[in-house]
Amino acid sequence: QVQLQESGPGLVKPSETLSLTCTVSGGSITTYYWSWVRQFPGKGLEWIGYVYDSGTKYYPSFKNRATISADTSKNLFSLRLSSVTAADTAVYYCARERGGYFGAFDIWGQGTMVTVSS
Amino acid sequence: DVVLTQSPLSLPVTLGQPASISCRSSQSLVYSDGNTYLTWFQQRPGQSPRRLIYKVSNRDSGVPDRFSGSGSGTDFTLKISRVEAEDVGVYYCMQGTHWYTFGQGTKLEIK
Repeated sequence: QVQLQESGPGLVKPSETLSLTCTVSGGSITTYYWSWVRQFPGKGLEWIGYVYDSGTKYYPSFKNRATISADTSKNLFSLRLSSVTAADTAVYYCARERGGYFGAFDIWGQGTMVTVSS
Repeated sequence: DVVLTQSPLSLPVTLGQPASISCRSSQSLVYSDGNTYLTWFQQRPGQSPRRLIYKVSNRDSGVPDRFSGSGSGTDFTLKISRVEAEDVGVYYCMQGTHWYTFGQGTKLEIK
């Protein structure tokens, strides 16, 4: 059974870079799309972007700030979000999507809360 | 960006009664391959979202058959035929035709 686990600092200072990792267990990260989704305190959900097979990456609304990468040797993928502000405070989820399912995430991590504050 | 508008935002329902949630898109969600990528998620209190329905009407394994999805183009609906206590939570629609965006969520509670 595939499981996802997010990890990273729970507190980040404004203007710094948020870095999170999602470790995938119970299956390989190859042949799937791996996304980051965040949930704001008011409960709204926002898709950040995805990585596929280490090479294909899309984060259309975060082009200048987000980087998503995958390490197939360690079976994990990561998010880096630069120049954070209080508006980036959210629960960050990693999620899996099968090719051809276009955002229909079938497996989610438990989420990790990130607070941006000095 | 494609905007998904859900209604109602709050849905009090008596146990055993039906419930219906609407999701309207600012653009058609029919993709160039002919498929419509509209997904429904359930988020129970304190839990991560869980997929219920994908491609408008395909129910996931393990999802009770009291849940059903329907719609086309820009108008979609999630129906629960008989609400049970375990259905309490927030329901989100999501489109994957024009990148990915979510609706605001509908909070279902028991009256």
